[in-house]
Parts: sequence; structure tokens; C-alpha cells
Amino acid sequence: DVKVTQSSRYLVKRTGEKVFLECVQDMDHENMFWYRQDPGLGLRLIYFSYDVKMKEKGDIPEGYSVSREKKERFSLILESASTNQTSMYLCASGGTSGAQETQYFGPGTRLLVL
Amino acid sequence: AQTVTQSQPEMSVQEAETVTLSCTYDTSESDYYLFWYKQPPSRQMILVIRQEAYKQQNATENRFSVNFQKAAKSFSLKISDSQLGDAAMYFCAYRSAPYSGAGSYQLTFGKGTKLSVIP
Repeated sequence: DVKVTQSSRYLVKRTGEKVFLECVQDMDHENMFWYRQDPGLGLRLIYFSYDVKMKEKGDIPEGYSVSREKKERFSLILESASTNQTSMYLCASGGTSGAQETQYFGPGTRLLVL
Repeated sequence: AQTVTQSQPEMSVQEAETVTLSCTYDTSESDYYLFWYKQPPSRQMILVIRQEAYKQQNATENRFSVNFQKAAKSFSLKISDSQLGDAAMYFCAYRSAPYSGAGSYQLTFGKGTKLSVIP
């Protein structure tokens, strides 16, 4: 079974803090993704990575950065958290061929910025 | 850019009955993939079913089946013999064919349909 884990299920931070969200996958997938999920808006892609040290902006990259130093690990960074970044953050990973192209999701991190 | 529309924010179904969730999409591509994902309350998002656009046959996974109408750009999910465990948010998603480049692995999601199952 594919396993995608996220470092925290719940997180409370103060405005202006630097926030790290970490995601680890155990399937040797090339692609990893960070989404933000808000009620009524569905899932929106923040950033994705198709290889180590490679990244591409998604639909809503402003206020976020990412890091992928190892294939299995993809970090989302909020340089200076703001209240409008309060949300559910979902990480996903996926391969590049056949059934592995399907994206597999982590359990999510619910972030509250006060 | 592709868009995915789920026109039913909420739906309900009686246990053991059948329900159909709607999804339409807009694309100029001829080859792509479509997915339905399920997100139970406070639980992980999981894949329900996937359809390749070049396949005319509708995908089926046990009680879940799709009605894929390529010309109409419609991709509905039918859940037969609904069970209490089917209660969840359901998301329709679109993905370009893999040879479109690195960005083709992105998923574009609809806003979701919340399905309630009534005992």
C-alpha cells in the first residue's frame, strides 16, 4: 500500500511565524504535490515537484515556497504566516507510468493561524 | 486551462438506493484522464475510480461506475446499493495525458459534492 504521511494533523501558529509542513512518501514516486483545501473551493494546487530540487508553481503559489532535497520528502514553507493561510493542507504523490500515475494523498494538516 | 464543475454541492441518498453525482469539464485536449476521489469526514482522500478518455468503455469498481460522455464532456459517478460508509465529500478531477509535459501530472479538481446517506 502506498503511504503518504504528513508531519502534523493539527497546527496552530501566530501571524508572522515561519511554518514548515512536511510530507513523506514511501513509493519512490517522482511527483509530489501540495494542495490547499477550503470549503466551497475544492482543492487548489500550490506547488508541485517532478524531481529532486525541481519545482513548479501551481495555481496559488503566493505566500508559499517548497523544498525537495530528497525524493521521498516534500516540504511546504509559509515564510510569514498570515490568517488567510488558515486552511487544510494536503500532500499527494504520484508516479509517472500506468496505475502509479494516480495521485495518493496524505491525511492532511489543518493549520490555524491566529 | 481546464475547468471541472460539480453542480451539486450536496446530495443525499437512502441506504441501499442508487445515487448519481454529476461532473462536467472543459478542455481542448483529446487525451486525458478523469478521476473520482472520496474524502470521508476527517479521513484521508482516496481514489474511487479512474477513466482514460481514449477508452470508450465506462470504468467500473464494484458498486461504483461512471457514465463517461466524451462529446458532452460529462463524467458522472453512480453509486449503487449505497452504504453508510459512502457518506463523504466526492471530488471529480481532470488530468492531461502524460506526454503533455511535467505539468500534465497536475490534477484539476471540482469543488466537491457532499453526499449524505440516510439510514
